[in-house]
Amino acid sequence: DSGVTQTPKHLITATGQRVTLRCSPRSGDLSVYWYQQSLDQGLQFLIQYYNGEERAKGNILERFSAQQFPDLHSELNLSSLELGDSALYFCASSPKWGQVGGEQYFGPGTRLTVT
Amino acid sequence: EDQVTQSPEALRLQEGESSSLNCSYTVSGLRGLFWYRQDPGKGPEFLFTLYSAGEEKEKERLKATLTKKESFLHITAPKPEDSATYLCAVRGYQKVTFGTGTKLQVIP
Repeated sequence: DSGVTQTPKHLITATGQRVTLRCSPRSGDLSVYWYQQSLDQGLQFLIQYYNGEERAKGNILERFSAQQFPDLHSELNLSSLELGDSALYFCASSPKWGQVGGEQYFGPGTRLTVT
Repeated sequence: EDQVTQSPEALRLQEGESSSLNCSYTVSGLRGLFWYRQDPGKGPEFLFTLYSAGEEKEKERLKATLTKKESFLHITAPKPEDSATYLCAVRGYQKVTFGTGTKLQVIP
C-alpha cells in the first residue's frame, strides 16, 4: 500500500458526460501528479501540482482540468467524454520537488470506461 | 524533448536465468532516473532512484545502474514473482517522462 488513495475505483459513463476523479496524496507529500494509461500506450503524464499550484503540464487535453486543494487532495475533471478517454487514470504523490529527486508513489488508479 | 526508450519490449526467462533490461534516455538536466515495477491493473511501485553516472542501487534480486546515456536493471536468478512490467522514468527540468516498459515473464 503506497498511502495514495484514489476514488472511485471504477467509473462507467456515457459519451459527452463529465466525471471527477479524486486523489489523496501520502501524508506530508506536497506534489501530486496525474497520469493516463491506456492499453496501447504507456503512462502519459497529464499534469502536476505542488502545494496547490500547477507546476508542470504534459499532454493534457483542453477538455480535462485539475486542481489541488488546500488540504492537498486533488481532483481531475474530465468533460465531453469520448470513447478514446477510456483508460486507467493514476494519481501519484511525491515528497519533494526540489533540485533532485521526486520519486513518485502511485495510487491504485481509477478505471474509466466511456460507452 | 525528453525521451525514454526501453528494451526489450518483452522478455521471457526461465526461473534462475539472469538478464538485464535497458533504458536509454535523453533529457535536459537529469534530476533523477527512476525504476518502477507495475503489476497488471495496479499502480506502478517505486523501486530505485539514481542521480549520477556510476551510481548503483540494489534490492533483493534487482540491481540498477546508471551511465550518462542509459540505465540497466539487472535481475539475478529471477523467480516467478518477479514477473511484471518494469518502467523507467527520467526527471528533467520540468517533468517526469516514462518509458513504455519491459514486460518480464519468469517461467517456473
